Amino acid sequence: DAKTTQPNSMESNEEEPVHLPCNHSTISGTDYIHWYRQLPSQGPEYVIHGLTSNVNNRMASLAIAEDRKSSTLILHRATLRDAAVYYCILRDTGTASKLTFGTGTRLQVTL
Amino acid sequence: ETGVTQSPTHLIKTRGQQVTLRCSSQSGHNTVSWYQQALGQGPQFIFQYYREEENGRGNFPPRFSGLQFPNYSSELNVNALELDDSALYLCASSRQGANTGELFFGEGSRLTVL
Repeated sequence: DAKTTQPNSMESNEEEPVHLPCNHSTISGTDYIHWYRQLPSQGPEYVIHGLTSNVNNRMASLAIAEDRKSSTLILHRATLRDAAVYYCILRDTGTASKLTFGTGTRLQVTL
Repeated sequence: ETGVTQSPTHLIKTRGQQVTLRCSSQSGHNTVSWYQQALGQGPQFIFQYYREEENGRGNFPPRFSGLQFPNYSSELNVNALELDDSALYLCASSRQGANTGELFFGEGSRLTVL
């Protein structure tokens, strides 16, 4: 499975934008980039996914580099409820449900 | 639309015992996968069930087994428990072939092996 690299932790002030980076230099042409987050004492929650083009939804935006070797999850206005571990995952299309999680980025949001 | 529910939420077992964890998938979802999450780590894929058969497995020994029922609910069974089996066990459901590939996770069953 292709691997991703993320910073262990990041901090943000509430109401400010947050850019969470992810490197995936060995990504293959058919790998989708997925982001999940895990709030304390909960299971992971889907955030967003994309293949080549930038994507927006109600939770976040995903910016994908032109060579697809990196991507950035953007939270436009961080709130205290966004404090979580964020996982960048390359989806194994052979087994659609198999997500290979790394250790993710722990995001702290402060007032 | 009900979400993914898991039971029990917490349980304690001793080494050598067996445990069964249960999962009800989200309405309309026919695929269930199980993950193990050790403290401080990301979830690790155990296996996936579709149409009541296992159709994908991670790096876990045969003492980890499962079932999927006609209503798409699922069980995870672990035999001969070891101390390292202590973890949060997560169930996720999805629709096979869905374009988004989005998985819906339950809140997990926390297993402690003494």
